[in-house]
Amino acid sequence: AQKVTQAQTEISVVEKEDVTLDCVYETRDTTYYLFWYKQPPSGELVFLIRRNSFDEQNEISGRYSWNFQKSTSSFNFTITASQVVDSAVYFCALSEAGNNDMRFGAGTRLTVKP
Amino acid sequence: DAGVIQSPRHEVTEMGQEVTLRCKPISGHNSLFWYRQTMMRGLELLIYFNNNVPIDDSGMPEDRFSAKMPNASFSTLKIQPSEPRDSAVYFCASSPDRDVIQPQHFGDGTRLSIL
Repeated sequence: AQKVTQAQTEISVVEKEDVTLDCVYETRDTTYYLFWYKQPPSGELVFLIRRNSFDEQNEISGRYSWNFQKSTSSFNFTITASQVVDSAVYFCALSEAGNNDMRFGAGTRLTVKP
Repeated sequence: DAGVIQSPRHEVTEMGQEVTLRCKPISGHNSLFWYRQTMMRGLELLIYFNNNVPIDDSGMPEDRFSAKMPNASFSTLKIQPSEPRDSAVYFCASSPDRDVIQPQHFGDGTRLSIL
């Protein structure tokens, strides 16, 4: 069965610090997809990135970067030079191929203080 | 393009009442999902549809919950009768293609409070 673990319940940093949010997943499938979503205080869920299991290249988008390592079943998310607007709950999620049942981790609440 | 539209944004009602949550997916999206978010259980998938047909409703907690998708642009999630433990934020999401896993786009959610 698919499972996503976000061990960090809450993280608090000061603005401009770098922060990494951990995500560890479990699946028996060889083809699967990993996602990160952001839930700001306003409550909506915002898609950030999708990565399939055959693409282990790291991705960078502005201050955001993602490190996918199949050897450790991890898909970690780093925010560089964090800003107050980055404060949100961040969810990692997993879907197995042919199965739209996207399983979410419990989320990590990030607070960035000015 | 308009995103996923959910209504109402907030609902407060007394236990025992029927509650109907509504969702309009993004035009052209073939899959529609209903999720429930609570502090205790996080985000849970309740049911999803593909081309208006329910594919997996194993997440629906009880017979009090039902969902329909009468056409490609509208879905409802109904709770009858409602109970205080149903209080949660209910999200609807849609995605364009079932065969290739695409990101799901979420609505703003309905915050439901059952008194």
